[in-house]
Amino acid sequence: GQNIDQPTEMTATEGAIVQINCTYQTSGFNGLFWYQQHAGEAPTFLSYNVLDGLEEKGRFSSFLSRSKGYSYLLLKELQMKDSASYLCAVRGSYNTDKLIFGTGTRLQVFP
Amino acid sequence: GAVVSQHPSRVICKSGTSVKIECRSLDFQATTMFWYRQFPKQSLMLMATSNEGSKATYEQGVEKDKFLINHASLTLSTLTVTSAHPEDSSFYICSAPRFSGNTIYFGEGSWLTVV
Repeated sequence: GQNIDQPTEMTATEGAIVQINCTYQTSGFNGLFWYQQHAGEAPTFLSYNVLDGLEEKGRFSSFLSRSKGYSYLLLKELQMKDSASYLCAVRGSYNTDKLIFGTGTRLQVFP
Repeated sequence: GAVVSQHPSRVICKSGTSVKIECRSLDFQATTMFWYRQFPKQSLMLMATSNEGSKATYEQGVEKDKFLINHASLTLSTLTVTSAHPEDSSFYICSAPRFSGNTIYFGEGSWLTVV
């Protein structure tokens, strides 16, 4: 079966660092995506990992360990506008671009 | 700016009627597009894969006769919700892969309310 787990909710303080974890068990693996979604809006692309290691993009970084079926999204210097849901998604096959989404993590940033 | 566009962004229809949602890739060709549904405070659930020039592939549990998908050109896929019922009220989102699939963009989404 396909299973992607994330914490349901997290809270953090403005200016702090937060790490959102994602564990997955899928029948195949061809990349892991992180998306940000504000309430009532479509997801926006944040990062893509297909090889092990850390990908850094400004305040956001994403890490992948394929052997452990584990990824995390690291958000630095948190801002109020970072309050949103963060979705982890796995592409399970080489011959399709369909994504399997995790449950999503609602992050609330407080002043 | 947006690379995948959806229309309409919001639609209200009466129970029993049909409604069509369009998904367009704006400056690239997409032989494959994907349709998702999202209920409040839940994650995205894949409904079907839209294939240009051939039949759509539906996920288990999704009624193909109720959710009609047509991928008429390399830049347009449509989802028609037929005989809509209040339980079909949801946020419908399409996506299309670009740059060898390493970037997958989503449309703006369409809020459907069936009354």
